Amino acid sequence: GIQVEQSPPDLILQEGANSTLRCNFSDSVNNLQWFHQNPWGQLINLFYIPSGTKQNGRLSATTVATERYSLLYISSSQTTDSGVYFCAPHFGFQKLVFGTGTRLLVSP
Amino acid sequence: DVKVTQSSRYLVKRTGEKVFLECVQDMDHENMFWYRQDPGLGLRLIYFSYDVKMKEKGDIPEGYSVSREKKERFSLILESASTNQTSMYLCASSFSFLAKERNQETQYFGPGTRLLVL
Repeated sequence: GIQVEQSPPDLILQEGANSTLRCNFSDSVNNLQWFHQNPWGQLINLFYIPSGTKQNGRLSATTVATERYSLLYISSSQTTDSGVYFCAPHFGFQKLVFGTGTRLLVSP
Repeated sequence: DVKVTQSSRYLVKRTGEKVFLECVQDMDHENMFWYRQDPGLGLRLIYFSYDVKMKEKGDIPEGYSVSREKKERFSLILESASTNQTSMYLCASSFSFLAKERNQETQYFGPGTRLLVL
């Protein structure tokens, strides 16, 4: 089956630090989304990024579809960035396959 | 902003009960989805619907059914709840598979329902 792997699985940062989260996927994708799941369980859309680079404030994402990976950059991290980050490539008709997630804890 | 709401944030039911989870979206999306999320297993697709009265099985449909009588509403039904259905249930919606712009395929999620079956 389709494999989606995220690294690192866990990350602890000091407030203000930068980080890069990686998502590798085993097959060609139509699209890809990045989500942040907050401590209350809500999945929040961060990016829809089938290819190329997008930026939104302190966050940016890059997908290289031909090499089957995507990266999420978090700069100047804040405690509110804590939570779990998921990548979810779209395969076929909008079938999202979620990665295993990266659990981020930002300490003050 | 897209809004996807779910009828309950927390629900406690007994084994054998019939359980209804409701999801409503206000963006006129054609597609709606039900997922469950479990520790160590991630998010898995239960069912999805691409139009009113249409439904398709996802990866783990056993023990569940769905209903979509109106475009904005998608219900997940546990016919006879069991303890292994204790989980976090998440609803999502998106525009049609035939959306004119690719970013319209973005799936938007509701806040989730934490179901405990005793």
